Amino acid sequence: KQEVTQIPAALSVPEGENLVLNCSFTDSAIYNLQWFRQDPGKGLTSLLLIQSSQREQTSGRLNASLDKSSGRSTLYIAASQPGDSATYLCGLPQDFGNEKLTFGTGTRLTIIP
Amino acid sequence: DTGVSQNPRHKITKRGQNVTFRCDPISEHNRLYWYRQTLGQGPEFLTYFQNEAQLEKSRLLSDRFSAERPKGSFSTLEIQRTEQGDSAMYLCASSLAPGRGAQYFGPGTRLLVL
Repeated sequence: KQEVTQIPAALSVPEGENLVLNCSFTDSAIYNLQWFRQDPGKGLTSLLLIQSSQREQTSGRLNASLDKSSGRSTLYIAASQPGDSATYLCGLPQDFGNEKLTFGTGTRLTIIP
Repeated sequence: DTGVSQNPRHKITKRGQNVTFRCDPISEHNRLYWYRQTLGQGPEFLTYFQNEAQLEKSRLLSDRFSAERPKGSFSTLEIQRTEQGDSAMYLCASSLAPGRGAQYFGPGTRLLVL
């Protein structure tokens, strides 16, 4: 059974800094991984989907990397802004054809102006 | 807006009452998922559909829960005889099938059982 861990649970950084969020998983036989952000009381917004054949995926100031062999993905946020404050979640599908996602508990990010 | 929509956004009910939530997926998506999220936790899978067929139900989905997706379009999630432990955010997501597409989530329905 896939288990997903996100450490730290919370992170505060000054505006303008670059930062890295971590996602660890126990079963390396994944076929993709999705990063989301969630604002308080809201649904999940998809940020990046990285396929198992990819090592990186970029969208604007965001860059997701994937290392299946070590069971890790990172989300890099460049030049952080107060609007980046949210909880960031990673989700992995069960397997190909059964795409129910298993999530970590998220990292709550606060960008200090 | 062609995103996933959910109604109602908030629901307050008394213990023992029945509630029903609706999800309208992105129109061309034939997979639809329901998740439940409690405070401080990630979403947990409840059930999913491919078109009108319900393919899997989690053990979290007790007999009091039922989900439908008539005609493979919108879906409803009904909770009968609600309990205080049912208080949570109920999230709906949709995706293309098969394979490697992203899941897109709706805004959720927050349920409070008094």
